[in-house]
Amino acid sequence: GQNIDQPTEMTATEGAIVQINCTYQTSGFNGLFWYQQHAGEAPTFLSYNVLDGLEEKGRFSSFLSRSKGYSYLLLKELQMKDSASYLCAVLNTNAGKSTFGDGTTLTVKP
Amino acid sequence: DSGVTQTPKHLITATGQRVTLRCSPRSGDLSVYWYQQSLDQGLQFLIHYYNGEERAKGNILERFSAQQFPDLHSELNLSSLELGDSALYFCASSVATRSGENEQFFGPGTRLTVL
Repeated sequence: GQNIDQPTEMTATEGAIVQINCTYQTSGFNGLFWYQQHAGEAPTFLSYNVLDGLEEKGRFSSFLSRSKGYSYLLLKELQMKDSASYLCAVLNTNAGKSTFGDGTTLTVKP
Repeated sequence: DSGVTQTPKHLITATGQRVTLRCSPRSGDLSVYWYQQSLDQGLQFLIHYYNGEERAKGNILERFSAQQFPDLHSELNLSSLELGDSALYFCASSVATRSGENEQFFGPGTRLTVL
């Protein structure tokens, strides 16, 4: 099976930097996704990591360490609109599916 | 707009009833996935179809079934509905054969309320 852990909630200040961690245990790992989901809306894709290292995309960056079963999503220059749930999802090709973590609810305060 | 469409947007029904949720993937996407998201819970993978064939099954109840048609649209059938089936049901599509090699594009969801 797969086990994905993320913090349930985080709070940060507008303009600051926040790091959301995700740890996983899985066999047949073939990539890790981060999605953003605003309340009542569909998830939207943020990043995909399959190799170790940092992928940067504007204000958002994602890091992966396969040996440690660890990823993080880094959000810089936080804006109020970044308040949302951030979902970590692990692709397991053996199972033919992606498994999602329960999500981290980020609240950005003025 | 992801390009994935789902109908209906809202559905209210009674326990014991049967409903059908419909999904049209993005043009060119052969893979369709169904997810259930209950209040305060994460996305639960239900089932994955690729080009009409079932490819992976998650925690899908026996009362639920799905299919993907030759035109690639998909339907999720929920029968003998229970109060606990009330949730947001998302459909997602992707280009890849296997789940998630490319990003999944999510539809807006169908909110099902069972009374």
